[in-house]
Amino acid sequence: SAVISQKPSRDICQRGTSLTIQCQVDSQVTMMFWYRQQPGQSLTLIATANQGSEATYESGFVIDKFPISRPNLTFSTLTVSNMSPEDSSIYLCSVEKGRWTEAFFGQGTRLTVV
Amino acid sequence: SQQGEEDPQALSIQEGENATMNCSYKTSINNLQWYRQNSGRGLVHLILIRSNEREKHSGRLRVTLDTSKKSSSLLITASRAADTASYFCATDIKGAQKLVFGQGTRLTINP
Repeated sequence: SAVISQKPSRDICQRGTSLTIQCQVDSQVTMMFWYRQQPGQSLTLIATANQGSEATYESGFVIDKFPISRPNLTFSTLTVSNMSPEDSSIYLCSVEKGRWTEAFFGQGTRLTVV
Repeated sequence: SQQGEEDPQALSIQEGENATMNCSYKTSINNLQWYRQNSGRGLVHLILIRSNEREKHSGRLRVTLDTSKKSSSLLITASRAADTASYFCATDIKGAQKLVFGQGTRLTINP
């Protein structure tokens, strides 16, 4: 298993500002994932963050809006930049310990943009 | 969209009854997984069934997989109030190192 600490758990931000979300894992993992969950919706993958390389973004998500850092095998950050109310969502980080195995999730960051 | 479909979108039953949720998907998979989410919190993994498996059990959970129909079902037997949550299926798609989540089923267990 993996224990993931995600911070902050929630925040209320002004439009036009940026928020950085941190994800700390209790063990080394190769692949980390960032998801967005809009109100009442399912999870949508934003990007895959691999240590030592650029993050791989899904269609509809760009690095300028959602820059990601992955400085080592236990830590990653996601920044939501130049926020608008449409960015109000739950953001979740996730890891997999190996290929074709279950994913472990952080508790999520509930972001409200006003 | 690659996302799978789940039905029903919402399900409300009495405590002690069985709950069945269905998931359909569109592409070839390595495995299919079911997760539970309580009140917009993080997801908890419930069960993983590989593409060469047809049925799997874990406690009160029973999952089936029919790869010919590209569908899966999750059965929760003898439901409890604590089972109230949203349930998501997720497919580990062949050739893509990522999970694709279904739309989810909101399950309410009435005491």
